[in-house]
Amino acid sequence: GDSVTQMEGPVTLSEEACLTINCTYTATGYPSLFWYVQYPGEGLQLLLKATKADDKGSNKGFEATYRKETTSFHLEKGSVQVSDSAVYFCALSLGSSASKIIFGSGTRLSIRP
Amino acid sequence: KAGVTQTPRYLIKTRGQQVTLSCSPISGHRSVSWYQQTPGQGLQFLFEYFSETQRNKGNFPGRFSGRQFSNSRSEMNVSTLELGDSALYLCASSPPATGANEKLFFGSGTQLSVL
Repeated sequence: GDSVTQMEGPVTLSEEACLTINCTYTATGYPSLFWYVQYPGEGLQLLLKATKADDKGSNKGFEATYRKETTSFHLEKGSVQVSDSAVYFCALSLGSSASKIIFGSGTRLSIRP
Repeated sequence: KAGVTQTPRYLIKTRGQQVTLSCSPISGHRSVSWYQQTPGQGLQFLFEYFSETQRNKGNFPGRFSGRQFSNSRSEMNVSTLELGDSALYLCASSPPATGANEKLFFGSGTQLSVL
């Protein structure tokens, strides 16, 4: 079945370090891909998205490229900040219904000053 | 523009009780969906409503139910609570025409603890 697999956390980095959170997916169709972020005590917020192969989504210094050949959508940032500490969810969508969205299990990121 | 509002923020109940959670979507959004978030299972889809009609339901027992009102506000109800129902319940709304495939807007959730 359709699924999203992302690297397990927690991930702890020092401020200004480089970040990569791996995400791979399995889907029967051509999904849209998303990264959502959940800050402490809050709901999820869309961080970035890509709707077709080779698209690059970017926001707040984060980037992810839709790689159809490797079925991956890894999240990257060149220099993380303490304020980036949160849980990051990779997700895919196979339609406009919320029931068609599949979320990964989430990766907790902690940044040390 | 106000975001998605969920009430209450925290709830403590005991086994066997029932609970009702409320969600007010962003003004103009007619689609509301509910998710259960637990450390072990991540986000699990519960229901989706559009214009007062349930469009989809996730794989949850009949103790979980919901409804949507004409003003798009939604409620979900859990009857005969079990310890395993302890979770963060998230509500999300999505814009008309584009749907969830474009973007979901989440509330801060209701943290339910069942003792």
